[in-house]
Amino acid sequence: GDSVTQMEGPVTLSEEAFLTINCTYTATGYPSLFWYVQYPGEGLQLLLKATKADDKGSNKGFEATYRKETTSFHLEKGSVQVSDSAVYFCAPLISSGSARQLTFGSGTQLTVLP
Amino acid sequence: EAEVAQSPRYKITEKSQAVAFWCDPISGHATLYWYRQILGQGPELLVQFQDESVVDDSQLPKDRFSAERLKGVDSTLKIQPAELGDSAMYLCASSSRGMRTEAFFGQGTRLTVV
Repeated sequence: GDSVTQMEGPVTLSEEAFLTINCTYTATGYPSLFWYVQYPGEGLQLLLKATKADDKGSNKGFEATYRKETTSFHLEKGSVQVSDSAVYFCAPLISSGSARQLTFGSGTQLTVLP
Repeated sequence: EAEVAQSPRYKITEKSQAVAFWCDPISGHATLYWYRQILGQGPELLVQFQDESVVDDSQLPKDRFSAERLKGVDSTLKIQPAELGDSAMYLCASSSRGMRTEAFFGQGTRLTVV
């Protein structure tokens, strides 16, 4: 069935380091793809999105490109900050019968040290 | 800025008691989701509404969980009786009509069953 596989954490980086969090998915067709971020004790916030192949989503220095050939949507940031410490979720919008639903990976815990 | 409202933020209940959570989606959003997030895992869909109709409740434990959205606006999720394994964050999300739109999440309700 449809699913998403996300790079396992936790990931610990020093401030200003380069970040990559891998995400691959299996789905019928070409779903919209999303990255959400969750800070401790909070709900999920949309970080960025891409709705079609080769689209690049970007926000707050984070980027991800929709790669249909590899069914991937890897998250990158060139220089992380302490404030980026959070859990990151990759989520394709997958069709299930007549419904469309976000299907979440297990999340990647990122800790950025000063 | 419009937000998804959830209450309560925190709930502690005893095993075998009934508990209810409330969600008010962003105005005009036709689709409403309830997700359950166990600590350290990604959110899992419990039920999805389109207006007042359930479009997917395949993962809802119907022997103890119920959900309604009577007027197609706000929604209530109920658990009766609560079990220790129900301890989790319960997240509500909403999205507008459209095939590729993102979902917006509330702050969640943290349930602890003792």
